[in-house]
Amino acid sequence: DADVTQTPRNRITKTGKRIMLECSQTKGHDRMYWYRQDPGLGLRLIYYSFDVKDINKGEISDGYSVSRQAQAKFSLSLESAIPNQTALYFCATSRQGVWDTQYFGPGTRLTVL
Amino acid sequence: AQTVTQSQPEMSVQEAETVTLSCTYDTSESDYYLFWYKQPPSRQMILVIRQEAYKQQNATENRFSVNFQKAAKSFSLKISDSQLGDAAMYFCAYRRGRGGGADGLTFGKGTHLIIQP
Repeated sequence: DADVTQTPRNRITKTGKRIMLECSQTKGHDRMYWYRQDPGLGLRLIYYSFDVKDINKGEISDGYSVSRQAQAKFSLSLESAIPNQTALYFCATSRQGVWDTQYFGPGTRLTVL
Repeated sequence: AQTVTQSQPEMSVQEAETVTLSCTYDTSESDYYLFWYKQPPSRQMILVIRQEAYKQQNATENRFSVNFQKAAKSFSLKISDSQLGDAAMYFCAYRRGRGGGADGLTFGKGTHLIIQP
């Protein structure tokens, strides 16, 4: 079984709809992240969380919100989706330490029409 | 803010040959970590190799090695004996050092590697 799972894997929605992307991990890591990937732009950080009580904005947080429901679960919400939020979304996890290496989920392809 | 630049949008190499992917970065930090991730068509992000800035020795993982030039702020990836399964997008990434880990990674825009059979 995958250590970091994301649901749904693909989603098509309409402008103005609220949508939630979910991330779960069984790695026992304390830190979780949400990234967005656009063609030709690499990955950019949306939000990150040290632990359940700690949430921080990343480079491109406008239009997004997050919830850390438990150490293993970190959800990303688009309150009112718009077409330029069409992208590939990745969740990642890491354990606080020297390396803090991030391990990624399989990604969610979101299309906003 | 840190920036990561990958100047080669696409590279092509014959199977079994060696290829080098370039990455440069800009930072005022002295303590940081560098990573190469691979993204095959499955879109999964896979860690290839990592390097600590305060270690002069270049990291090696089987056929993958890096050439880390701290003064030049350069971190290139060398793939030896290229295989068809190496075909993917490769991303260079930077992370600040101790205390900055949870800020996340700063990625380059990627290099698309094509393996010619």
